[in-house]
Amino acid sequence: GAVVSQHPSRVICKSGTSVKIECRSLDFQATTMFWYRQFPKQSLMLMATSNEGSKATYEQGVEKDKFLINHASLTLSTLTVTSAHPEDSSFYICSAETGMRDGYTFGSGTRLTVV
Amino acid sequence: SQQGEEDPQALSIQEGENATMNCSYKTSINNLQWYRQNSGRGLVHLILIRSNEREKHSGRLRVTLDTSKKSSSLLITASRAADTASYFCATDFNSKLTFGKGITLSVRP
Repeated sequence: GAVVSQHPSRVICKSGTSVKIECRSLDFQATTMFWYRQFPKQSLMLMATSNEGSKATYEQGVEKDKFLINHASLTLSTLTVTSAHPEDSSFYICSAETGMRDGYTFGSGTRLTVV
Repeated sequence: SQQGEEDPQALSIQEGENATMNCSYKTSINNLQWYRQNSGRGLVHLILIRSNEREKHSGRLRVTLDTSKKSSSLLITASRAADTASYFCATDFNSKLTFGKGITLSVRP
């Protein structure tokens, strides 16, 4: 089946630094990937839609200069949290459309802690 | 914007019992999907029901969809301790998923 690999699973960084999260489709080509953010015991909030070879589409209220998304190939999308602050600490999850009839495939998530 | 609303928010049952979770939504959909999330992990797709379908089965899962009431239900039969997780409904419209707040299911051995 379609597999999405997300790395790292956990990262701790200092305030002011940048963190890159990778999302790879292992056995299929993903022209579209999605990035979500999830606060503890809450639902997933869509941050942006990443399209291969073009600019990402950001949801209202999401700062595109802070959350840089790059989708340079059909198998890789990256999310870079720039100048991270403690309030950016969260669980970030990517997903991809598989092109199959059922649903989307999600990565295993990245727990970001900014200290 | 968040549009899916599941109920109950938390459900605790005994192993072997059935678990029923409900989801309501507000806008148009192409399909509705249910996902499972174990603590601190990614989401696992469980089942998808299209807007022109009313009921679907997959193993111990049964999902219904009532588009007139904008609601869906997920039934897990013969629950197991391993079913303990958070369950989310998500509406899909024009390839954009909108998630509900989730239901925490605890299955006691």
